[in-house]
Amino acid sequence: DAGVIQSPRHEVTEMGQEVTLRCKPISGHNSLFWYRQTMMRGLELLIYFNNNVPIDDSGMPEDRFSAKMPNASFSTLKIQPSEPRDSAVYFCASKASGGPTQYYEQYFGPGTRLTVT
Amino acid sequence: AQSVTQLDSQVPVFEEAPVELRCNYSSSVSVYLFWYVQYPNQGLQLLLKYLSGSTLVKGINGFEAEFNKSQTSFHLRKPSVHISDTAEYFCAVSARRGSQGNLIFGKGTKLSVKP
Repeated sequence: DAGVIQSPRHEVTEMGQEVTLRCKPISGHNSLFWYRQTMMRGLELLIYFNNNVPIDDSGMPEDRFSAKMPNASFSTLKIQPSEPRDSAVYFCASKASGGPTQYYEQYFGPGTRLTVT
Repeated sequence: AQSVTQLDSQVPVFEEAPVELRCNYSSSVSVYLFWYVQYPNQGLQLLLKYLSGSTLVKGINGFEAEFNKSQTSFHLRKPSVHISDTAEYFCAVSARRGSQGNLIFGKGTKLSVKP
C-alpha cells in the first residue's frame, strides 16, 4: 500500500485566498484525522471522520476552516479566506478498526506545508 | 480528559550515548500509550505502543519504553543512539474506552545526536 497520500506537499498562497488540502487514506481504513502542527501549539487535532461522517470538529479553529469526506478514499480540508496565522504543516492520518492491535494505530501522511503571506 | 507532558523540549546527546526521553500523562481513565517519531520533513511514524501486558515495550530501531502506572509515566529509552536517530519524538495517549481511538499528543522532544 502507498500509505496515506497528501497533496500538495507545499502550498504558498496570499492572504485572503482559498486553500484546499487533499488526503487519500489507506485503503480499508475507516477513520480519518486532520491535524495541524505549529511551533507554538504543537500537534493539534482539527477534525476526525468515522465511516465518512464527521464525528468531532471541536478542534477546527474557526468558520474559515471546513472539512469534507465525500467517500472512503478522499477528504479535503479547506481554508477560506486564508490568513498568515494559518501557516503550519497539516497532516492527515487514517486508521482501521478491527482487532485491538490495529484499532488505535494511526498512520500519518507526509503533510502539507502551508505558507500564507 | 487526558493530557501528556514531555518534560524536555530538546535533548542533545553524543553518538553511542544512552538517551531517555521523558513522558508523563494525566488521565481519569485507563489509557493506551504510544511513541511516535517524526524525521525532518516527514510525517509521524509509530515507534512503539503499550496496550496491555508487559510494561516494558520494545519498538523499532532499538527503542524501548516502560509503562509505570503509579508514576503515570512512559519514558522512552535507547542504550546507544546513532546520528540517524536525530528526530522529534512525540508521546501520545488514547483512552481505552469512549475515545474512538483519538490520540492526545505531547508537545514533542527534539533529539539531536552529535558525532
